[in-house]
Amino acid sequence: AQTVTQSQPEMSVQEAETVTLSCTYDTSENNYYLFWYKQPPSRQMILVIRQEAYKQQNATENRFSVNFQKAAKSFSLKISDSQLGDTAMYFCAFKGRGTTSGTYKYIFGTGTRLKVLA
Amino acid sequence: GAVVSQHPSRVICKSGTSVKIECRSLDFQATTMFWYRQFPKQSLMLMATSNEGSKATYEQGVEKDKFLINHASLTLSTLTVTSAHPEDSSFYICSALAGAPYEQYFGPGTRLTVT
Repeated sequence: AQTVTQSQPEMSVQEAETVTLSCTYDTSENNYYLFWYKQPPSRQMILVIRQEAYKQQNATENRFSVNFQKAAKSFSLKISDSQLGDTAMYFCAFKGRGTTSGTYKYIFGTGTRLKVLA
Repeated sequence: GAVVSQHPSRVICKSGTSVKIECRSLDFQATTMFWYRQFPKQSLMLMATSNEGSKATYEQGVEKDKFLINHASLTLSTLTVTSAHPEDSSFYICSALAGAPYEQYFGPGTRLTVT
C-alpha cells in the first residue's frame, strides 16, 4: 500500500527567507504523480505544485520548487522569499492506481503547519 | 476555471437526523468526484470515489449505508450522512477531477456539527 509521510508537524520561517518542507512516500508503482497542496485558514485546498514521476526535471512554480528524488522516494517543497500569505498547512499527496479497480486515488500526508513570521 | 462549490458551508443537525451535502463542478463536467473527511488538525482521509452514473467506491472502514453518495449528473455529487451521531461531526471536503491531466479541484468544505 502507498504511504505518504511528512515528518515535520510544524515549521516557521522569517519573511523573505527560504524554507524546505519534507515528504517521503512509499509505492511499488512506477508511474504516479506527486503534489503539494496548501490549506490556509479558510480551509480551501489549493494546488501548489505537481510532479510527474516519469519526469526527471524538478517542477517549479514561481517561488515554489520541488526536489524530487525518485530512487529515495523523496519529494520536498522549497518556498523561496517566504511571504506572510504562505502561512498555511501544507500537504504532500500521492496519486496512483493503488486499488484493485485501477482507479486513481490520492493519498495525503499528515501535513506541515508553516508559519511565516514578520 | 475549474471551480467546485459545496453547499452548505456549515450545518448543525440533531443526532438521529440525516443531512445532505452537495458538491458541484461549476464550469466543467466531472465524471469522478471524491469525498474526504478531515478531523481537526489532521489530514484528509478519502471516504469514497464517486463516479457519474455508477455506484460509489468506498474506502475500507467507511460505512456505505451511513454515508450515501449519489453522482447523478456530471456536475453534481451528493453525500448524505444518515442517522447522524456526534462522532460524525467533522469537516467534509469534496473534489472533482477536471480535464487532462485530470487535476483534482477541491470544494471549500462543509463543517458538520451533530448535537
